[in-house]
Amino acid sequence: DAGVIQSPRHEVTEMGQEVTLRCKPISGHDYLFWYRQTMMRGLELLIYFNNNVPIDDSGMPEDRFSAKMPNASFSTLKIQPSEPRDSAVYFCASRKGPNTGELFFGEGSRLTVL
Amino acid sequence: GEDVEQSLFLSVREGDSSVINCTYTDSSSTYLYWYKQEPGAGLQLLTYIFSNMDMKQDQRLTVLLNKKDKHLSLRIADTQTGDSAIYFCAETLPGSGNTGKLIFGQGTTLQVKP
Repeated sequence: DAGVIQSPRHEVTEMGQEVTLRCKPISGHDYLFWYRQTMMRGLELLIYFNNNVPIDDSGMPEDRFSAKMPNASFSTLKIQPSEPRDSAVYFCASRKGPNTGELFFGEGSRLTVL
Repeated sequence: GEDVEQSLFLSVREGDSSVINCTYTDSSSTYLYWYKQEPGAGLQLLTYIFSNMDMKQDQRLTVLLNKKDKHLSLRIADTQTGDSAIYFCAETLPGSGNTGKLIFGQGTTLQVKP
């Protein structure tokens, strides 16, 4: 089975540009999570979805960040406009069921905002 | 608070045992987890323990849980160079009910010297 697929793996952009990160969860998984990893703050939960519906977006840092899940096999995380402090590795993870514990992570999208 | 705390770095020699420690916040967490992150990759579930257990052993891995002190540890026996990675402790976020929203520690970088 293919795992969680994220794209792009690496993105370098200039401050003020729009960034869109993409995620395809594992087929059949009904929970999808977006995390951000930085040296300073570690791994932070940004938002998660259940059956394509956003459940908790309290971790989204600012209005510049938005996430969508138009269907069960695709989610996007958008940053507009991007800033240098958004530079991080963004992970998407999915899971089947509410509390089975194992999150399956993608390989991450490394974002650098100049 | 919601902090899960870990020491940041551990260095051991190949063949020795490694012990990675973690303190968590919510005594009502039902599951506690250890994830492993290799360079350039996402996190992978190593093992987990249910809160009514004190110990769980899985090949070279031993997880110890002290609920009274809210302390979790991961012992790796006969540590190999391939065990070099970042190890994350995680607990279910307090109040998340059945969603199983995970909060991760900062991660402990394990360095294994030949």
